[in-house]
Amino acid sequence: DAGVIQSPRHEVTEMGQEVTLRCKPISGHDYLFWYRQTMMRGLELLIYFNNNVPIDDSGMPEDRFSAKMPNASFSTLKIQPSEPRDSAVYFCASTRQGPGELFFGEGSRLTVL
Amino acid sequence: GESVGLHLPTLSVQEGDNSIINCAYSNSASDYFIWYKQESGKGPQFIIDIRSNMDKRQGQRVTVLLNKTVKHLSLQIAATQPGDSAVYFCAENRGDYKLSFGAGTTVTVRA
Repeated sequence: DAGVIQSPRHEVTEMGQEVTLRCKPISGHDYLFWYRQTMMRGLELLIYFNNNVPIDDSGMPEDRFSAKMPNASFSTLKIQPSEPRDSAVYFCASTRQGPGELFFGEGSRLTVL
Repeated sequence: GESVGLHLPTLSVQEGDNSIINCAYSNSASDYFIWYKQESGKGPQFIIDIRSNMDKRQGQRVTVLLNKTVKHLSLQIAATQPGDSAVYFCAENRGDYKLSFGAGTTVTVRA
């Protein structure tokens, strides 16, 4: 199994630009989670999906953030417009049955200048 | 000046010794706990989990202990190896599929 696949691994962009992070969960996993990791706040849950449906987005910081899961094998996290304080590592994770063992991707490191 | 950010506890351990990593959780209603290991530049990796109806669970070289009275969780690593150097997180589930992660403990193994 290839594991959870995230892209891009690194992104450097300028304030105001749109950023799209992508995730391919492990096949057969019904739950998908987006986390953000910073030194200030640690690992924070942004949103999670069950069977492609957003269940809880209470962790999404503000309206500039949006997430979609158009099918069982693909999800995106979009930030528009990006700000320097959005700089962080964004992780996608999936599991067959939440909240059990989460399988994390390698993360997307975002730097907003 | 003072650094800004989470103050991560650290643990330095001699190779071959046992390690004990501690974690205090906040919610007495939490019913499921997980330990994760995160190596530099990688995503967190599952180590072991325990449900609230247990007080001890063992895996390969690792043991998790749960003390619900004082809301305390610990991870014991036997015969620590250089590959065990990482940041270790405890996480609690509050019954709604949302894991809440602790700040993490940085473990450094001395050769």
